[in-house]
Amino acid sequence: GEEVAQTPKHLVRGEGQKAKLYCAPIKGHSYVFWYQQVLKNEFKFLISFQNENVFDETGMPKERFSAKCLPNSPCSLEIQATKLEDSAVYFCASSRDRLNTEAFFGQGTRLTVV
Amino acid sequence: KQEVTQIPAALSVPEGENLVLNCSFTDSAIYNLQWFRQDPGKGLTSLLLIQSSQREQTSGRLNASLDKSSGRSTLYIAASQPGDSATYLCAVAIVYGGATNKLIFGTGTLLAVQP
Repeated sequence: GEEVAQTPKHLVRGEGQKAKLYCAPIKGHSYVFWYQQVLKNEFKFLISFQNENVFDETGMPKERFSAKCLPNSPCSLEIQATKLEDSAVYFCASSRDRLNTEAFFGQGTRLTVV
Repeated sequence: KQEVTQIPAALSVPEGENLVLNCSFTDSAIYNLQWFRQDPGKGLTSLLLIQSSQREQTSGRLNASLDKSSGRSTLYIAASQPGDSATYLCAVAIVYGGATNKLIFGTGTLLAVQP
């Protein structure tokens, strides 16, 4: 596709429930990354992938967050046992490769934990 | 640790005015700098990408400059229109340990162009 596609657009989960978010990067892009936007303009890096391999996961709260990018499938970000503080907009982005190329962002998934 | 700051935090201008948004970063070791706009409730739209070896990039009414040594970038918007109203974010692509490339975002400038 010509744009980064994220689903669902909105997700509501009760505290303790699981949440799974999906991202289809632009065709031909080998680098995918996830960001969490909690406050209005505060973007927190979570994880990046080079194809299906984790490249940098230094931003991931490892106890409850996991992510995958498998061949021929959308990438996914999963949160086990959601907490209120996980409420945020989660953005996925892709770029052609990891150095010196433009990053394109999806429309985001708004997760609300109640 | 790389920190990216944008000034002003908010700006309101009448339609037709030229304006400048500022972005500063603390570590000059960057691969590139990218300007985005974010409309309320929407994703990020890429506006301009400046490689670390470049001084400026232009797209339509937008011109972005980069001074890596002083850690500054500016986004110039000519003849502003109400449709330019959005939050503008700059982000620098950093590498550390020779292995990663992630974007560090600025704090954003909320622009309102009054008709």
